[in-house]
Amino acid sequence: GAVVSQHPSRVICKSGTSVKIECRSLDFQATTMFWYRQFPKQSLMLMATSNEGSKATYEQGVEKDKFLINHASLTLSTLTVTSAHPEDSSFYICSARVGGGTGELFFGEGSRLTVL
Amino acid sequence: QKEVEQNSGPLSVPEGAIASLNCTYSDRGSQSFFWYRQYSGKSPELIMSIYSNGDKEDGRFTAQLNKASQYVSLLIRDSQPSDSATYLCAVNNSGKSTFGDGTTLTVKP
Repeated sequence: GAVVSQHPSRVICKSGTSVKIECRSLDFQATTMFWYRQFPKQSLMLMATSNEGSKATYEQGVEKDKFLINHASLTLSTLTVTSAHPEDSSFYICSARVGGGTGELFFGEGSRLTVL
Repeated sequence: QKEVEQNSGPLSVPEGAIASLNCTYSDRGSQSFFWYRQYSGKSPELIMSIYSNGDKEDGRFTAQLNKASQYVSLLIRDSQPSDSATYLCAVNNSGKSTFGDGTTLTVKP
């Protein structure tokens, strides 16, 4: 299957700081990437759809000014959690789809954010 | 009603048995269906994809789809302790994937 790489895998930061998470498609070009958040023992919640060369599409209830998404190239999307607070502590996972809109999603390894 | 519903479990089966995981969905326009396995603390990995009615087999895994009943299932034959994980059902319509809450499977040696 396709390879999606995410970095860092773990990050601990102080409240009020910003954290950037990178998501790369290693063996294919991804015009669209997806960012999910998962709290313990809960399912994946789509936060936003990242579109190469244009603005991201955010799901209802997700603050676009807090979760900044940049998709500057066909292989890289970044998620920046700005002014992080303890309630932002979660498992953030990116994914990308190979081929058309009905294909399967391939996930990055995930990034566990802990805000102290 | 959730868009994608799964029994949360936990589902416990003995080693070597068949594990049956079920999923129903509400959007009749859904076009593609997936099962992902997620180990604790890890990201999901694709197990099976299915696009048309009927059965699809891959090794010990069989996915079944019934669009009329809006139902998709995953059978795991000869279950192994390494199959113990949370299984997520995902339904796709026009590029948007919706996930169920997952079913936790425990395979006891």
